[in-house]
Amino acid sequence: EAGVTQFPSHSVIEKGQTVTLRCDPISGHDNLYWYRRVMGKEIKFLLHFVKESKQDESGMPNNRFLAERTGGTYSTLKVQPAELEDSGVYFCASSPYGSGADTQYFGPGTRLTVL
Amino acid sequence: DAKTTQPPSMDCAEGRAANLPCNHSTISGNEYVYWYRQIHSQGPQYIIHGLKNNETNEMASLIITEDRKSSTLILPHATLRDTAVYYCIVRKGGATNKLIFGTGTLLAVQP
Repeated sequence: EAGVTQFPSHSVIEKGQTVTLRCDPISGHDNLYWYRRVMGKEIKFLLHFVKESKQDESGMPNNRFLAERTGGTYSTLKVQPAELEDSGVYFCASSPYGSGADTQYFGPGTRLTVL
Repeated sequence: DAKTTQPPSMDCAEGRAANLPCNHSTISGNEYVYWYRQIHSQGPQYIIHGLKNNETNEMASLIITEDRKSSTLILPHATLRDTAVYYCIVRKGGATNKLIFGTGTLLAVQP
């Protein structure tokens, strides 16, 4: 079974440009999460989808970030316009729908560098 | 979610057991203890989780004290590839609950 995949693995852009990150969850997983780690700080939650609906977007830093999950399969995270402080590693995770202990499985991350 | 406390770093000799402690004194009855690790710059890797009972899988064992206020992750035979940052996370059950990562424990396995 394929794990969570993310594209691209690295992205280097200029301040003010737009970047779109993609995440493909494990097949059949209804839950999709975005996290990020910036500048050596702790990994922080950004948002959570259940299928195509945003369940929790309390971690989104500002309105320059837009996440979508059309059709409830893959998700995109767009940063527009990018700022220097957006540099970091963006992780995606997925989990199957269910109650109780619901384990999240992470992708390898996208390393974003804003110059 | 309850906060956890972990030592910032630990060393372990290759081939020996690595015992990583975690304190979670304010844990609630419906909160699970999860362990993840992050090797170098890879994505966090799930290791194990438990609620009340001790758990074992192919990667590790999880020992939870009877009062559930602390736990220990045991890697029975540490290898150099186990060098990573280990995160102890307390989380309510259900998919709606995000993971809250702390600073974790940097485990350095020495040859």
